[in-house]
Amino acid sequence: GENVEQHPSTLSVQEGDSAVIKCTYSDSASNYFPWYKQELGKGPQLIIDIRSNVGEKKDQRIAVTLNKTAKHFSLHITETQPEDSAVYFCAAGGSQGNLIFGKGTKLSVKP
Amino acid sequence: DTGVSQDPRHKITKRGQNVTFRCDPISEHNRLYWYRQTLGQGPEFLTYFQNEAQLEKSRLLSDRFSAERPKGSFSTLEIQRTEQGDSAMYLCASSLALQSGAQETQYFGPGTRLLVL
Repeated sequence: GENVEQHPSTLSVQEGDSAVIKCTYSDSASNYFPWYKQELGKGPQLIIDIRSNVGEKKDQRIAVTLNKTAKHFSLHITETQPEDSAVYFCAAGGSQGNLIFGKGTKLSVKP
Repeated sequence: DTGVSQDPRHKITKRGQNVTFRCDPISEHNRLYWYRQTLGQGPEFLTYFQNEAQLEKSRLLSDRFSAERPKGSFSTLEIQRTEQGDSAMYLCASSLALQSGAQETQYFGPGTRLLVL
């Protein structure tokens, strides 16, 4: 069935360093790839998304890249700050109109 | 635009009881989704509505689960005869379906955390 793999499951970086989270998906028909940030006790919050007609998208310190051939997409956060600490989820658009989520990456940014 | 809201935020119930959750989507959003999230996992799709029509259901949605969106605005998710395995965060999301057919952005509510004792 449709599946999204996400790595790493935990990531610890120093403030100011970059963080990279990688995802692979199984359904070649997927054409929409959002990233969500979830803080403790809250719902997921969209931080950036990319569609399959674009290879890269950037929004200030956050960028996402997509390789449709390899079915890979990645989230890059530069100049990390303590408030970036949270769980990050990648997702791929599923055939039912739903989103298929990865298992999440817990990012810790140490001051 | 106040975002997606869910009520209650927390619910503790005893096994065998029925529970009902409510979701109010962003106004003018015609699609509404229900997901379930267990600890350490990503959200898993349960079902979704376009206006008042329930268009898809996941295999995760057993016969004990029922969802409605009677007027195409708010939605309710009911779980009958709750089991301990139903303990999870129930998330609602809404979106505006695009005429182009491209997948639209889903905005999530804060969730309802259910604990079944």
